[in-house]
Amino acid sequence: IAGITQAPTSQILAAGRRMTLRCTQDMRHNAMYWYRQDLGLGLRLIHYSNTAGTTGKGEVPDGYSVSRANTDDFPLTLASAVPSQTSVYFCASSAGPSGSYNEQFFGPGTRLTVL
Amino acid sequence: GQNIDQPTEMTATEGAIVQINCTYQTSGFNGLFWYQQHAGEAPTFLSYNVLDGLEEKGRFSSFLSRSKGYSYLLLKELQMKDSASYLCAVLDSNYQLNWGAGTKLIIKP
Repeated sequence: IAGITQAPTSQILAAGRRMTLRCTQDMRHNAMYWYRQDLGLGLRLIHYSNTAGTTGKGEVPDGYSVSRANTDDFPLTLASAVPSQTSVYFCASSAGPSGSYNEQFFGPGTRLTVL
Repeated sequence: GQNIDQPTEMTATEGAIVQINCTYQTSGFNGLFWYQQHAGEAPTFLSYNVLDGLEEKGRFSSFLSRSKGYSYLLLKELQMKDSASYLCAVLDSNYQLNWGAGTKLIIKP
């Protein structure tokens, strides 16, 4: 693994189903983030984690949950998917805590369609 | 609320120079980032400014004026591979990153 990986690459999901998007980094970064990107809108922060064992809510957390059991993994779960959650989801990480001067490194993204 | 404004789309010619502007109104300021994002790919870091002035990095330069709430990204000697979206993001007083919607840059031969 080099950098950040996300799985799956894309997914079509029926509304009401549960879905977990996976994110793994091998850079030993402390902070990790989940964003969604929709056409015409900027990246919007869903949840973040400054270090293993801690998480925080971003701008659009409703309908999503995260966990950070270890440094490398930061899964995002949609408990009951709705069509408005159709989006491209990016996981990112940075060496320092959320909002520090450190640049964020992004995974390749997961394209999710909820029907 | 936070407000980050960038033009939606710009067109330029290969070999030319283009300036992409970003204006912001945020609760406090702790730095401004520029990222490049090719279609269907992840954003990648280009530059970070926290002090007024120009930061040059090869063909790309980024300028910041904190008093005016203004930044620009300057791309010189444009190449076809520079066709991408350019994202401006501001770190506010709570150290949260606020992202603009991005500027799609189209390079024509």
